[in-house]
Amino acid sequence: QVQLQESGPGLVKPSQTLSLTCTVSGGSINSDDHYWSWIRQFPGKGLEWIGHISSSGSTYYNPSLKSRLMMSVDTSKNQFSLKLSSVTAADTAVYYCARTLNKHADFWGQGTLVTVSS
Amino acid sequence: DIQMTQSPSSLSASVGDRVTINCRASQSISDYLNWYQLKPGKAPNLLIFGASSLQGGVPSRFSGSGSGTDFTLTISSLQPEDFATYFCQQTYSIPLTFGQGTKVEIK
Repeated sequence: QVQLQESGPGLVKPSQTLSLTCTVSGGSINSDDHYWSWIRQFPGKGLEWIGHISSSGSTYYNPSLKSRLMMSVDTSKNQFSLKLSSVTAADTAVYYCARTLNKHADFWGQGTLVTVSS
Repeated sequence: DIQMTQSPSSLSASVGDRVTINCRASQSISDYLNWYQLKPGKAPNLLIFGASSLQGGVPSRFSGSGSGTDFTLTISSLQPEDFATYFCQQTYSIPLTFGQGTKVEIK
């Protein structure tokens, strides 16, 4: 059974960079069939797709975040990462990582709350 | 961007009830529609992909239907563990977008 676990700071100051890592266990991140996704849920409960990355590093980003977003993958550690720069309070959310197959996210992490505040 | 509109935004139901949640896309998305279940503090759960395909391990009381712009998630007999929030998601075009969610509460 594939498991995913998000990790990273729970508090980020405005204008700084939010950095999160997702560790995958129970399966290899080095798969031609899967993409690795980030999705967030705002305090008002709406969901937003952030983007996804393949094990070879091909990326698809939400255009609304593209100028501030960078995703990467480390196959040696079975991890993938998210960096979102110039954050504001509007970036406060629960951030989920997920495995994606044919654009449906079949395994998710439990999520990590990131608060942007000074 | 494709806008996804769910209805209702919340509903109250009893164990054993048949529950229907609707999702409408702002343009045709063929069958590129997924349904997810979210519970606080837990990993979200994929229920349905491709509008009507049941994800492995998901109980058969969940079903999905629709094509084009109008889609439905049905729970044939609501169970205590089904009280949660449900989201539809279109995967027809980037950015992938979600409906605003439907919260299913105990009556």
